[in-house]
Amino acid sequence: EVQLLESGGGLVQPGGSLRLSCAASGFTFSNYAMTWVRQAPVRGLEWVASIGNSGDSTYYADSVKGRFTISRDNSKKMLYLQMSSLGADDTALYYCAKDKSPFADNTWDLWGQGILVTVSS
Amino acid sequence: DIQMTQSPSSLSASVGDRVTITCQASQDITNYLNWYQQKPGKAPKLLIYDASYLQKGVPSRFSGSGSGTDFTFTISSLQPEDFATYFCQQYDNLPTFGGGTKVEVK
Repeated sequence: EVQLLESGGGLVQPGGSLRLSCAASGFTFSNYAMTWVRQAPVRGLEWVASIGNSGDSTYYADSVKGRFTISRDNSKKMLYLQMSSLGADDTALYYCAKDKSPFADNTWDLWGQGILVTVSS
Repeated sequence: DIQMTQSPSSLSASVGDRVTITCQASQDITNYLNWYQQKPGKAPKLLIYDASYLQKGVPSRFSGSGSGTDFTFTISSLQPEDFATYFCQQYDNLPTFGGGTKVEVK
């Protein structure tokens, strides 16, 4: 089955760190760029970060640059998001998503079910 | 960042109605625009890419048009499964989304 499955979310204190993972199945993971998108009730949908199919190219939203790192392991068909210096504004449902192309063209045709990250003391 | 202004934010419609949603970009994005559908508790689903191309497997009652700064998304005949929230998303520059349009039962 073609799917993406996120894990690693939860409750974290302000200033803390968390690593999200996304397991891909049912397609040739190494052929496609991948992305993290988050959704919060007030801020709506927000693109977070993208990575090219080989992992050589990465792109970040200004709101997370310097705090979040996107990476991938094509041998394991895994996508990651390392998040640090977390604040209340990072509280959201985080989705991993597959791009239609090897490059981060930012058209996403497959999404995971989402994983909740809550930043609170 | 490119701002995407989507309207209306919500609308009420009946099965069989024609539904139109618009999205305006704060600058020219050529045709770098996608439309997604999101149902409660579910992830967004790609319906239209490159402003007017129907994603594989998506019913032909969905369509998109426009270029530059002004874009339109249309459902030609609303079906019961189409009650959902719809988002536009530009990818000319760093991706940004519109605020969404909730299509509700009239």
